[in-house]
Amino acid sequence: QITLKESGPTLVKPTQTLTLTCSFSGFSLSSTGVGVGWIRQPPGKALEWLAVVYWDDTKRYSPSLKNRLTITQDTSKNQVVLTMTNMDPVDTATYFCARLSSEDYSNWGQGALVSVSS
Amino acid sequence: QSALTQPASMSGSPGRSITISCTGASSDVGAYNYVSWYQQHPGKAPKLMIYAVSNRPSGVSNRFSGSKSGNTASLTISGLQVEDEGDYYCSSYTSSNTWVFGGGTKLTVL
Repeated sequence: QITLKESGPTLVKPTQTLTLTCSFSGFSLSSTGVGVGWIRQPPGKALEWLAVVYWDDTKRYSPSLKNRLTITQDTSKNQVVLTMTNMDPVDTATYFCARLSSEDYSNWGQGALVSVSS
Repeated sequence: QSALTQPASMSGSPGRSITISCTGASSDVGAYNYVSWYQQHPGKAPKLMIYAVSNRPSGVSNRFSGSKSGNTASLTISGLQVEDEGDYYCSSYTSSNTWVFGGGTKLTVL
């Protein structure tokens, strides 16, 4: 059974850096073709793709957020970490991590709501 | 990259069919057969309903089908059921090696 779970702070202050961890089980990020991505969803709004890391450590980022995002993997811990710098209230959202299988996100975590407020 | 264009809302009667469109560009929907559709119920994570334009994951009802023509992909739900209500999002791989989602369609079954 494949599971993913996001963890991190529920509240951050403007200008701070957000660090989110995706802990997963049931698959290996060392398997060819596999990736783990991050997608966010502001309250009442649409999904927005953020970043992905592949089994070979290739990383891709949303062009609009590229300068603020870093994605890393720790295959020994079955974790993927996303950091986002210079947080702003508009970054308030539920952040999901998801398993990339071929070219679709087949399994999702439950999501983690992050609020940005002073 | 711009979000894919979906109708904001659609409605249908139980038992009828409905088709949700997803319009992109020649650099995403039109370039790859990597269009996916996701269903999301309130407070829940998205669920993959269609992948690679027209393929259903195991466990997804065959009432859901997908297709693509040019820069526009479509999701058709036949035999609408109350439990089909929710938000639907399309997604596509892009020529920048990234992904883009649609703005979402709120489906009401009434």
